[in-house]
Amino acid sequence: QQQVKQSPQSLIVQKGGISIINCAYENTAFDYFPWYQQFPGKGPALLIAIRPDVSEKKEGRFTISFNKSAKQFSLHIMDSQPGDSATYFCAAESGGAQKLVFGQGTRLTINP
Amino acid sequence: GAVVSQHPSWVICKSGTSVKIECRSLDFQATTMFWYRQFPKQSLMLMATSNEGSKATYEQGVEKDKFLINHASLTLSTLTVTSAHPEDSSFYICSASTGWSYEQYFGPGTRLTVT
Repeated sequence: QQQVKQSPQSLIVQKGGISIINCAYENTAFDYFPWYQQFPGKGPALLIAIRPDVSEKKEGRFTISFNKSAKQFSLHIMDSQPGDSATYFCAAESGGAQKLVFGQGTRLTINP
Repeated sequence: GAVVSQHPSWVICKSGTSVKIECRSLDFQATTMFWYRQFPKQSLMLMATSNEGSKATYEQGVEKDKFLINHASLTLSTLTVTSAHPEDSSFYICSASTGWSYEQYFGPGTRLTVT
């Protein structure tokens, strides 16, 4: 019940296209859903996060869509650029536990 | 703001020796720090959570006598891998939170190689 399932495992998108990564969870106590970007040999960096009281959050080219009833959330990267090539992790946290549960990760490659 | 540093960025040690990794919050006070381990092409696995001045809480399956965590101040936590073995080779990442929000700020990671 603590798992966060992420798909796809890897994704190849052409430059300028839309990259979409999906996550699903079971624990309804989760109330914070961040996305992290990680480059090889580096620590993860927070990209964007959402709380369950909103269905969508947009920051620049990055958008989180959140479906509370389906217990799913997704990351959309618009106008994908080669510099976006990285591994992306979704995560979930419940305030009481103060622990992040990470998805398995998606290796994104943007072809020029 | 919200910068977390780790030292060293990479370390090689011989089997049976101990190695210490430092995690510092540079511009904020971290009431809680977290230590993760990440194997190649895998996700982050939480090892332990530490609150300043308290004993760390270890995740199931993590040996507390092997991975010693100290959180002596609001800006510094250390992870000591004792009697390291080649299977301990991994990427170790710390994160820190203020306790005021859900956000965790991650360090750049430390690559440990045990020969």
